[in-house]
Amino acid sequence: EAGVAQSPRYKIIEKRQSVAFWCNPISGHATLYWYQQILGQGPKLLIQFQNNGVVDDSQLPKDRFSAERLKGVDSTLKIQPAKLEDSAVYLCASSPEGGRWGRTQYFGPGTRLLVL
Amino acid sequence: AQSVTQLDSHVSVSEGTPVLLRCNYSSSYSPSLFWYVQHPNKGLQLLLKYTSAATLVKGINGFEAEFKKSETSFHLTKPSAHMSDAAEYFCVVSDSSDKIIFGKGTRLHILP
Repeated sequence: EAGVAQSPRYKIIEKRQSVAFWCNPISGHATLYWYQQILGQGPKLLIQFQNNGVVDDSQLPKDRFSAERLKGVDSTLKIQPAKLEDSAVYLCASSPEGGRWGRTQYFGPGTRLLVL
Repeated sequence: AQSVTQLDSHVSVSEGTPVLLRCNYSSSYSPSLFWYVQHPNKGLQLLLKYTSAATLVKGINGFEAEFKKSETSFHLTKPSAHMSDAAEYFCVVSDSSDKIIFGKGTRLHILP
């Protein structure tokens, strides 16, 4: 079975520019997550989708970050405008189980963003 | 509120010796607990998870962890370390409050 796909793998932009990341989850997985992993830290959940509805976006900086999951499959995460502190790896994960507890997450390879 | 604390940021062991990576958690509800591993330039992979069944959980690659409610711990162990075990390990807590919290990670170094 194909894993979680993410693109691009690397991105370098200047501050105040915009950037978008794409994620394709494992086929049939209803739940999709976006995480931010800053160097030396654990991943921080930004947003969680169940099908195409948002379950949790409490840690998403909504003034500059946005995410959507059209048709409950692919998802995009956008940053506009980027700040230096947004430099991080952005991880996408998906999960097949229903409900909100005890689910195994399958992670993509991540997109490494550097903001100059 | 949930939290998870990985007590060591770095652990070094010699090849063939036991591994112990420590994790303590705090949760207002019955938690699910996970260990994930992240090899350099690779995605996070599930090692094992606890979801209120047996308290001793066996995972992949010879790893296991024991859920101890009285100590609020979920330490990861392996009897004999292998060079391929060198990686970053994350303890994760999730409960019915719908929050998912990762620890800061423990980097495991294997000495030849």
